[in-house]
Amino acid sequence: GAGVSQSPRYKVAKRGQDVALRCDPISGHVSLFWYQQALGQGPEFLTYFQNEAQLDKSGLPSDRFFAERPEGSVSTLKIQRTQQEDSAVYLCASSAWTPGAAGELFFGEGSRLTVL
Amino acid sequence: SQQGEEDPQALSIQEGENATMNCSYKTSINNLQWYRQNSGRGLVHLILIRSNEREKHSGRLRVTLDTSKKSSSLLITASRAADTASYFCATDAGQGAQKLVFGQGTRLTINP
Repeated sequence: GAGVSQSPRYKVAKRGQDVALRCDPISGHVSLFWYQQALGQGPEFLTYFQNEAQLDKSGLPSDRFFAERPEGSVSTLKIQRTQQEDSAVYLCASSAWTPGAAGELFFGEGSRLTVL
Repeated sequence: SQQGEEDPQALSIQEGENATMNCSYKTSINNLQWYRQNSGRGLVHLILIRSNEREKHSGRLRVTLDTSKKSSSLLITASRAADTASYFCATDAGQGAQKLVFGQGTRLTINP
């Protein structure tokens, strides 16, 4: 597709369930990012991939959060044993490689997770 | 943690007026970017200004950057109802860092 695609758009989970959120980046984009956005707040960085390598996972809130990008394209963010505080919009973004600096990010529409 | 802080948090103006939003950040940067987010949607890139630039224009947008004050401003001229959205500044962490750190945003409402 022409843009970043995320699925599902909406997910309701019961507390304690595991969820998986998918991101399909723009073809050829080397960099892929996951952000978490709480209502009325700015996006908070979770993790960054360069191709299949996870170079920065400093923003993951706990070991219940896990992300992968095994073939350097599609990425999955997995949240185990969901808690109510995990309720947020999870945004995926991709960008072309820009040596020496962050480049323009292309965002998906986000996956809105509600944990009951 | 948030790097940037936008000011004001919310701004409401009449259509046709100019809207100015400010952003302050804490660490040295390679570039600063502005993004727009319509309600319930993803973020859309508006403009990027490099640390060695002081001003940049794109259509009705004008961005300034003052690295000595660690601040930037976004000016939208001749605002339209369709400009209603949240606007975020984002900075990299310098030193070749690829990730962007976003501020809390300014919620802009344009009244017809």
